[in-house]
Amino acid sequence: AQSVTQLGSHVSVSEGALVLLRCNYSSSVPPYLFWYVQYPNQGLQLLLKYTSAATLVKGINGFEAEFKKSETSFHLTKPSAHMSDAAEYFCAVSKPGYSTLTFGKGTMLLVSP
Amino acid sequence: NAGVTQTPKFQVLKTGQSMTLQCAQDMNHNSMYWYRQDPGMGLRLIYYSASEGTTDKGEVPNGYNVSRLNKREFSLRLESAAPSQTSVYFCASSGNSRRTGGEETQYFGPGTRLLVL
Repeated sequence: AQSVTQLGSHVSVSEGALVLLRCNYSSSVPPYLFWYVQYPNQGLQLLLKYTSAATLVKGINGFEAEFKKSETSFHLTKPSAHMSDAAEYFCAVSKPGYSTLTFGKGTMLLVSP
Repeated sequence: NAGVTQTPKFQVLKTGQSMTLQCAQDMNHNSMYWYRQDPGMGLRLIYYSASEGTTDKGEVPNGYNVSRLNKREFSLRLESAAPSQTSVYFCASSGNSRRTGGEETQYFGPGTRLLVL
């Protein structure tokens, strides 16, 4: 069975500071990994995904994530936070050959002026 | 393209009542999904349909039924609503190729907020 652990239900940063949201996965086979973002009262939208090509993946809005097999991690980063980045972020894992996703519990990113 | 649409946006039910949540996608996707989102629990898969004509249980199927009406539409039915089913329900879809490799992006609808009293 696959699982995802997101460390920290809430992360607070100042505008302009580095954003680091942590995600660790458990999978019996090399997984596909995703980061989704959810703005208030909206559905989820894809930020970026790792599908076994380059281990450093760049996404929308300046976010990127690095797949580290040895650490079973896929942490999300952004060099400089904007107020508009305030949202809930979900890490998810899928198994090659299967369409279903397993989501982490989410991390709420709070950005202060 | 409307993407994934869900109706209704908000619903209040009394315990024991039934209702059907509707979902439609216009992206010619093969796979469709129903999730529920509860505070601190992330999204949990209720049912999914990997292709037209098939449905499978997810992590939390008890108390729900689904119908893949055609390639576009996937409905979720609560036969006898319970307060534990108070949640936000999201429909999603993915995959417009014949093979589903697992790497496809899922596209989400705006959600249905359900309150069961």
